[in-house]
Formats: sequence, C-alpha cells, structure tokens
Amino acid sequence: AQSVTQLDSQVPVFEEAPVELRCNYSSSVSVYLFWYVQYPNQGLQLLLKYLSGSTLVKGINGFEAEFNKSQTSFHLRKPSVHISDTAEYFCAVSPPGTGGGNKLTFGTGTQLKVEL
Amino acid sequence: NAGVTQTPKFQVLKTGQSMTLQCAQDMNHEYMSWYRQDPGMGLRLIHYSVGAGITDQGEVPNGYNVSRSTTEDFPLRLLSAAPSQTSVYFCASSYSTSEHNEQFFGPGTRLTVL
Repeated sequence: AQSVTQLDSQVPVFEEAPVELRCNYSSSVSVYLFWYVQYPNQGLQLLLKYLSGSTLVKGINGFEAEFNKSQTSFHLRKPSVHISDTAEYFCAVSPPGTGGGNKLTFGTGTQLKVEL
Repeated sequence: NAGVTQTPKFQVLKTGQSMTLQCAQDMNHEYMSWYRQDPGMGLRLIHYSVGAGITDQGEVPNGYNVSRSTTEDFPLRLLSAAPSQTSVYFCASSYSTSEHNEQFFGPGTRLTVL
C-alpha cells in the first residue's frame, strides 16, 4: 500500500514570489508520481508527472517538481507565482505494473493563496 | 470534445433515498473511475472500470454500485443514501489502463444527504 503526505494545508504567498509545495510519499514499491491542480469549482487537471528518468520534471504553467528517491519526496515549485495560480494542489501516486488502470492515491491537498 | 461530463451539478437527498450520478466521456477512453472528495481527506477511489462490462472496487466502495454497459458511460448509484455520503463526487477517465496515463476529471457533483 502507498500513502501521500502533504504537510502544508495552506500556503499564502505574495504575487511574483517563489513557492514550494511539499509532498512526501510512502510505498513498498516504486510508484509513479503526479501533481494535479484544482481551480475553484472545477475538476482536477494534471500539472506534471514523474515516471522515470530525469528527476526534474517540468509541467504546465511554469511549474516544476523534483523527485528525490532517498527522501521519498516530490516537491512542487514555481519561481514566480501569479494571482491565477490560486488553487488547491494535490500530490498523488500510482503503483506501476498492476495492469489495472491508474488508481491514484491522493494527498490531502495544499491550498495555495496568492496575494497582491 | 465535451470531455468528461457529470450530471447533476448539485443534489440534495434524504436519508434512505436512492439516486444515480451520471458520468459520460466522448474521448473513447478505456478507463473510467469515480472518486469522492471530502475536506481534509483528498480524493478517494470508489469504483473503477477498465472497459465496458468490467468494473472493480476501489478504496471506499461500500454503499455504491457501478456498471459500464458502454465505453462512454459510467453511472454511480447510491442505493440508500446516508449522511456519511455527503461529499463532492468526481468522475475521471484516461485513454488506457496504463498506470501512468493522465486522468481527465469532470466538474464534479456536490451531494448533500440530510
């Protein structure tokens, strides 16, 4: 079984400042890692994912994340945030090799609030 | 493409009532799933389907039924609604059953059970 921990439930940040949203996971097997974003009153959409290879993954809207196997982390970063980045961000994992579809295990989410 | 659509957007039920949450996708996706989202708990998988005629249970399946008679539709049935089923429900689909595929989410159904 796997689990995902997002330690920060809320992160306030000023516009144009950098931000890091933290994600740690626990799993007895290797996993695929994802970040999804949920804008107010909408469904989730994929920001980026890590499957294998380079540990630095770039996604949409200027976000990137770094996979650290030794620390079992997959933190999300953006060097300069915009008001439109205000949303809830979910880290998720999926165990590979089951052949049964992408059964995601989500963290509890981090609410990013960008202020002027 | 409309993507993943869900109806209704909002619903209020009384304890013991039954209802069906509708989900449809027009992307010819093989894999579909249902999640519920509760405050402080993220999203949890209820049921999923790897193709027409094939469904299986996720993490929190009790109190819910699903069927997949066509590739496009994946309805979620609440047999006898309980207050604990008050939640926001999301349907999602992905191109294949591969574990690394992006999932596309619908806009959600907000359900309140009184």
